[in-house]
Amino acid sequence: EIVVTQSPGTLSLSPGERATLSCRASQSISSGYLAWYQQKPGQPPRLLIYGASRRATGIPDRFSGSGSGTDFTLTISRLEPEDFAVYYCQQYGSSPPKYTFGQGTKLEIK
Amino acid sequence: QVQLVESGGGVVQPGRSLRLSCAASGFTFSNYGMHWVRQAPGKGLEWVALIWYDGSNKYYGDSVKGRFTIYRDTSKNTLFLQMNSLRAEDTAVYYCARECSGGGCYATDYWGQGTQVTVSS
Repeated sequence: EIVVTQSPGTLSLSPGERATLSCRASQSISSGYLAWYQQKPGQPPRLLIYGASRRATGIPDRFSGSGSGTDFTLTISRLEPEDFAVYYCQQYGSSPPKYTFGQGTKLEIK
Repeated sequence: QVQLVESGGGVVQPGRSLRLSCAASGFTFSNYGMHWVRQAPGKGLEWVALIWYDGSNKYYGDSVKGRFTIYRDTSKNTLFLQMNSLRAEDTAVYYCARECSGGGCYATDYWGQGTQVTVSS
């Protein structure tokens, strides 16, 4: 079973700064199987990135995803006040189909 | 616009059953795979179940396998989650979510607001 680990657990930054969030899989996965979500308190998650690097509809271009194999990254180029939230990566495993979320990274205002 | 509205949550005793519903609108329900995902209080997201667009295949997370059943009624544009033998650790907000369209997505692009399930004596 593939385990997905996110780091850091909490990231403290200021608006305007660059954020780099990491997601590591316990074994190599296809880039097509990696997604990122944003969740704000009291709200459902929002899809940001799928296929490791493809932005979902309506997502600003300051959000970008990259990576391959076991190491994936979500980058927010210049933080806006509304970007402070919890971010989850999600991995899809086949045979049988199964979705696994990382434990989340909380992005907080410094 | 796409809407997913969950209902059926509540407080239930351990060992009892509960059925959740998710009413879908704004898209062709029969064309999409659908998921249930849950979130325990103050915790992260846990995938619960997936049903294919035509209902032909169903998959479950390890913690609910054998106790929960996902199914759909295309005539009513509704997704269901039958939860049996409930445990305290099943306490969570339960979200339904739509598998995103197009090949190679493997993610969920629309989510409902969730329904709270509390398992307690």
